[in-house]
Amino acid sequence: GAVVSQHPSRVICKSGTSVKIECRSLDFQATTMFWYRQFPKQSLMLMATSNEGSKATYEQGVEKDKFLINHASLTLSTLTVTSAHPEDSSFYICSGERGPYNEQFFGPGTRLTVL
Amino acid sequence: QKEVEQDPGPLSVPEGAIVSLNCTYSNSAFQYFMWYRQYSRKGPELLMYTYSSGNKEDGRFTAQVDKSSKYISLFIRDSQPSDSATYLCAMSVGAGNKLTFGGGTRVLVKP
Repeated sequence: GAVVSQHPSRVICKSGTSVKIECRSLDFQATTMFWYRQFPKQSLMLMATSNEGSKATYEQGVEKDKFLINHASLTLSTLTVTSAHPEDSSFYICSGERGPYNEQFFGPGTRLTVL
Repeated sequence: QKEVEQDPGPLSVPEGAIVSLNCTYSNSAFQYFMWYRQYSRKGPELLMYTYSSGNKEDGRFTAQVDKSSKYISLFIRDSQPSDSATYLCAMSVGAGNKLTFGGGTRVLVKP
C-alpha cells in the first residue's frame, strides 16, 4: 500500500493558540487529500477536500476560517487550527488519494488536546 | 436514517474462527466499496477495495458486494488476536469522490 505520514502525532496547546498539522504522501503523488476528524468511539467525519493548487472544499458546518487548509504540492497538505479551543480537541486524520482507482490511504493521525 | 449502517459490536470470536462483518446502505449511487481496519489511536488501513458486485479475495480476507440488496460484507478467515480492531466500511459514488463511512464494528479475537 501507499504511505502517508502526519506530523506531529500528538500536540497539546493552550486555548487561543494556533496549531499546524502536516500531511505528506511519501511514495506517491496525491492530487487530492482529505482531512477528517474523529471523536472517541465515533467514525471519521470528513472536514474538507483539498486539491493541489486550489482552494479546499469544506463540508457543511466546518468553519473554513478556523480550519485553514493548504495543499501546496502533490505530496504535502497542511491543516491549521486557528485560535484553538477545548472543543477542537480531537483526532485529526488526513488521507491521500492515489490513482488509477483513487484509493484513499490514511495517515496515522494527530491527536490534538487544547487546554 | 444514516446513509451507511454498520453494527457497532463488539463482535467477540475465538481465535481461528471466521469473522463476518457487514454494512447496508441506502444510496444506490454508491459504486465503490472499501473496508478499512483501524487500531486504537491509529489511522485506518485499507484492506479491500471493490467496485463490482460479487466476491473479491485477498489472503484471509474476502469482500462481498451485493448492489441489488445494497449490502456489503467482509469475511476474515482464521482470525488472529492481531485482527482485534475496529473495521470500517466506506463507499463512494465514483472514483475520486468523497467517502461515506459506516460507524465501524469493533472486533475482539480472543486467544
